Amino acid sequence: DAGITQSPRHKVTETGTPVTLRCHQTENHRYMYWYRQDPGHGLRLIHYSYGVKDTDKGEVSDGYSVSRSKTEDFLLTLESATSSQTSVYFCAISEGGHGTQYFGPGTRLLVL
Amino acid sequence: QQQVKQSPQSLIVQKGGISIINCAYENTAFDYFPWYQQFPGKGPALLIAIRPDVSEKKEGRFTISFNKSAKQFSLHIMDSQPGDSATYFCAANTGTASKLTFGTGTRLQVTL
Repeated sequence: DAGITQSPRHKVTETGTPVTLRCHQTENHRYMYWYRQDPGHGLRLIHYSYGVKDTDKGEVSDGYSVSRSKTEDFLLTLESATSSQTSVYFCAISEGGHGTQYFGPGTRLLVL
Repeated sequence: QQQVKQSPQSLIVQKGGISIINCAYENTAFDYFPWYQQFPGKGPALLIAIRPDVSEKKEGRFTISFNKSAKQFSLHIMDSQPGDSATYFCAANTGTASKLTFGTGTRLQVTL
């Protein structure tokens, strides 16, 4: 695995609570991404970052926010978790352009 | 709106057979088409990729065929092995931020 860790790896939370997922990289790649993976939908981009403090929305950004204060860390926050946000969340990194995206091991989130 | 359509959803192939997974895209701005392989409990990993200026790319037992006029591309796995059993995702992007649009995935099972 290309120097990407995600924490926590598993989380159970209740509807309405805030949740923050962390992605940490040791590759010094410029681009970082958050995806969610759901059966029948493949992987869908939530938000991505193209540099420190530079972020943009993806396909399914509603209900999510992100922050990147350091090159190596990209945080995904669910301000008020809902059951529809139960999913597996993957972080990925890339050098950009047509560069390969390298994925982390994923975080399995269950919202009750 | 599904910009990359993938089929079949699942596939069972005997050991030694050929596995074929198809994808079709709508956005003519896409100019990079990777395939990712994902094993249970792991993040996706790049398998092989192609650009639209070539019609075929082969790496070992894996071949991508690309038809630009039809806006279709496919993955062929020759001499399929039980170790190839995984979920395969096609994807497409337009460079720069390397944002990927994924297909919905194909679960491949290779039987003995």
